[in-house]
Amino acid sequence: GQQVQQSPASLVLQEGENAELQCNFSSTATRLQWFYQRPGGSLVSLLSNPSGTKHTGRLTSTTVTKERRGSLHISSSQITDSGTYLCAMGYNQGKLIFGQGTKLSIKP
Amino acid sequence: EAAVTQSPRNKVTVTGGNVTLSCRQTNSHNYMYWYRQDTGHGLRLIHYSYGAGNLQIGDVPDGYKATRTTQEDFFLLLELASPSQTSLYFCASSGGTGGDYEQYFGPGTRLTVL
Repeated sequence: GQQVQQSPASLVLQEGENAELQCNFSSTATRLQWFYQRPGGSLVSLLSNPSGTKHTGRLTSTTVTKERRGSLHISSSQITDSGTYLCAMGYNQGKLIFGQGTKLSIKP
Repeated sequence: EAAVTQSPRNKVTVTGGNVTLSCRQTNSHNYMYWYRQDTGHGLRLIHYSYGAGNLQIGDVPDGYKATRTTQEDFFLLLELASPSQTSLYFCASSGGTGGDYEQYFGPGTRLTVL
């Protein structure tokens, strides 16, 4: 079946460093959507794009649909960026398949 | 930003009990979805709907019913709850006619089945 693989599973950085999160998917996706999951569990949608590059603030999402991969770049990381980042691929009727997540820890 | 609310936020029930989880979105979105999130499995789609009265089966539908009463309201029903249904449940909505637009998620409901 369709799968989404995220890497790395966990990432520890110093404050101010850049973070690069990867997402690979097993079949053709209509788009990729990135989420941040707060420690309490709630999900925040960060970026959603079918292909190409999209920016918001310090976040950049790049999706290469034909190569079945995407990435989320966080520049100048801050302690408050710590948490779990989820990648999800969209397919038929907008359904999402989620990856297992990358746990990001930013140290002072 | 799209507004999706869920109730209750926390629920504890016993094996065999009936549970209804509610979801409301106020952005006139056509599509609504129910997911569950479990350690080791990530989020998985249970049911979804593209309008009032419509229901589509997701990837893990066993043990769940759902009903979309209006464009705003989508309910998930567990008629004979089992411990395996202990999970964090999310509702989401998206716009457009094909559903393939950004999904907005509710805050989640933590369900514990004893």
